[in-house]
Amino acid sequence: EAQVTQNPRYLITVTGKKLTVTCSQNMNHEYMSWYRQDPGLGLRQIYYSMNVEVTDKGDVPEGYKVSRKEKRNFPLILESPSPNQTSLYFCASSLRRGGQNGYTFGSGTRLTVV
Amino acid sequence: KQEVTQIPAALSVPEGENLVLNCSFTDSAIYNLQWFRQDPGKGLTSLLLIQSSQREQTSGRLNASLDKSSGRSTLYIAASQPGDSATYLCAPEVGGGADGLTFGKGTHLIIQP
Repeated sequence: EAQVTQNPRYLITVTGKKLTVTCSQNMNHEYMSWYRQDPGLGLRQIYYSMNVEVTDKGDVPEGYKVSRKEKRNFPLILESPSPNQTSLYFCASSLRRGGQNGYTFGSGTRLTVV
Repeated sequence: KQEVTQIPAALSVPEGENLVLNCSFTDSAIYNLQWFRQDPGKGLTSLLLIQSSQREQTSGRLNASLDKSSGRSTLYIAASQPGDSATYLCAPEVGGGADGLTFGKGTHLIIQP
């Protein structure tokens, strides 16, 4: 089944403890991105990647890092999480920008930082 | 920068009604526009994708139209059912640049049995 898989689904952590949220797609998509969703603010893009080893900042990149060493994986790294990073996170992929099939989203990761 | 507005923000109607959800966007230079459904606390499910060269797309009881020049899209839901209750999100993909998808804040839809 074609899908985007995120792990973990739920995570509670403490301020300052480094964490990684994994994202993997099995559709050979070139484009991958991370979004966060907050009440009243909607979905906002954190980082995106046009292809392997090519990443760039989205609208709200502060406090996050990403890497794209392989085409299928695009982990989101929080080096020193803070409570304002408590949010619902989504990974998405697309064959390429402007592709015919649009974007596929993962099921989400609900992160709580205390 | 692309801005997306969805109207209404919330809608509650009895079962069986036909509905129109509206989406407007400020930058008409888009590759395509995608409509998603989101159930509470869940992921996004793609409903319809309209390419910039198309005027509409249909899937079952759903029909989405696109007027790129005026920056508008509508999602039409026919014969609504309680299972249609969800938040509906509109997301144009800007051509060029690096924005990817820009989302509206959604229309929260409740279908009363």
